[in-house]
Amino acid sequence: ELKVEQNPLFLSMQEGKNYTIYCNYSTTSDRLYWYRQDPGKSLESLFVLLSNGAVKQEGRLMASLDTKARLSTLHITAAVHDLSATYFCAVGSYNTDKLIFGTGTRLQVFP
Amino acid sequence: ETGVTQSPTHLIKTRGQQVTLRCSSQSGHNTVSWYQQALGQGPQFIFQYYREEENGRGNFPPRFSGLQFPNYSSELNVNALELDDSALYLCASSARVGTDTQYFGPGTRLTVL
Repeated sequence: ELKVEQNPLFLSMQEGKNYTIYCNYSTTSDRLYWYRQDPGKSLESLFVLLSNGAVKQEGRLMASLDTKARLSTLHITAAVHDLSATYFCAVGSYNTDKLIFGTGTRLQVFP
Repeated sequence: ETGVTQSPTHLIKTRGQQVTLRCSSQSGHNTVSWYQQALGQGPQFIFQYYREEENGRGNFPPRFSGLQFPNYSSELNVNALELDDSALYLCASSARVGTDTQYFGPGTRLTVL
């Protein structure tokens, strides 16, 4: 059964600092998603990564995928308070839209 | 282009009751998936509907059932509610099975007392 693990589970970081969230998954998959969730809100799509070596960037966030290592990273550059949220990675497959979500990383950015 | 909508926003039920949650998919999307998100956890896949047929199911008992209508809107029905059913229920739509991105609705917060 496919399992998805994220670390860290909680991340408290100072504004202006850099950090990386890691997402490991247990079996082969052909797509990896990153979502953001604000408290009490729904999920906002950030990135979809479809191939080994894929890298996508949006603002202060950059996501990458290594399918051989079954690892995706979400790198935060020069964090700002507005990035405070919970970040989920999710793994899917081409044949179904079923997504298996990670445990989530709760990010808090403080001044 | 309208996004994914869900109703109601909040719902309070008691154990043993039945509940129906509704979802309207994004315009042009024919695939709808339902997820359950317990407090502090990641969403868990319940089932998916594609062109009115179930297209995959997660580890949820039969008292969780669904429908998809010709306009691709969908319902999630839960019978014999249990306390552990308290969660945020999310609906997501996509343009087709295996497409790149699922778009999530705002969710329905269900509380079972």
